[in-house]
Amino acid sequence: DAGVIQSPRHEVTEMGQEVTLRCKPISGHDYLFWYRQTMMRGLELLIYFNNNVPIDDSGMPEDRFSAKMPNASFSTLKIQPSEPRDSAVYFCASSFGGKNIQYFGAGTRLSVL
Amino acid sequence: AQSVTQPDIHITVSEGASLELRCNYSYGATPYLFWYVQSPGQGLQLLLKYFSGDTLVQGIKGFEAEFKRSQSSFNLRKPSVHWSDAAEYFCAVGRNSGYALNFGKGTSLLVTP
Repeated sequence: DAGVIQSPRHEVTEMGQEVTLRCKPISGHDYLFWYRQTMMRGLELLIYFNNNVPIDDSGMPEDRFSAKMPNASFSTLKIQPSEPRDSAVYFCASSFGGKNIQYFGAGTRLSVL
Repeated sequence: AQSVTQPDIHITVSEGASLELRCNYSYGATPYLFWYVQSPGQGLQLLLKYFSGDTLVQGIKGFEAEFKRSQSSFNLRKPSVHWSDAAEYFCAVGRNSGYALNFGKGTSLLVTP
């Protein structure tokens, strides 16, 4: 199994640009989670999906952030427009059955200049 | 609301010495508890988990953790630390309102020769 795959691994962009982060969960997993990691706030949940449906997006910081899961094997997290304070490492995780182990991708390190 | 506290931001131990990383949680029911490890530039890997049953759980890489309800703690231990154990360690609790995880701020482990 290839594990959770995130792309790109690194993204550098300028303030105001649109950023799209991608995630491919482990095949057969029915839950997908997006987390953000910063020095100040640690690891925070942004949103999670069950069977491609968003269940809890209360962690999405503001309307500039949006996430989609068009099918069971792909999800995107979009920031438009990006701001320097969005600089962080964004992790995607998936699990089979929500209260089971979450498997994390390697993360996308985003730098907004 | 559930919360997780890792009191130690940094810990330094000598190779071969024993290790204990502290984790305290706030939760209204029997929690789902996890320890994850993050190596530099990598995603999070599950070390061990507690759902129910035996309060002493064994994990990978020689780690173990003990759930103590009376102390609201889930401390991670290893009898003899190896240089390769140097990493960031995160304690997490499963949310009762859904299936995401609340993470502690992490403990950075440095192993000296």
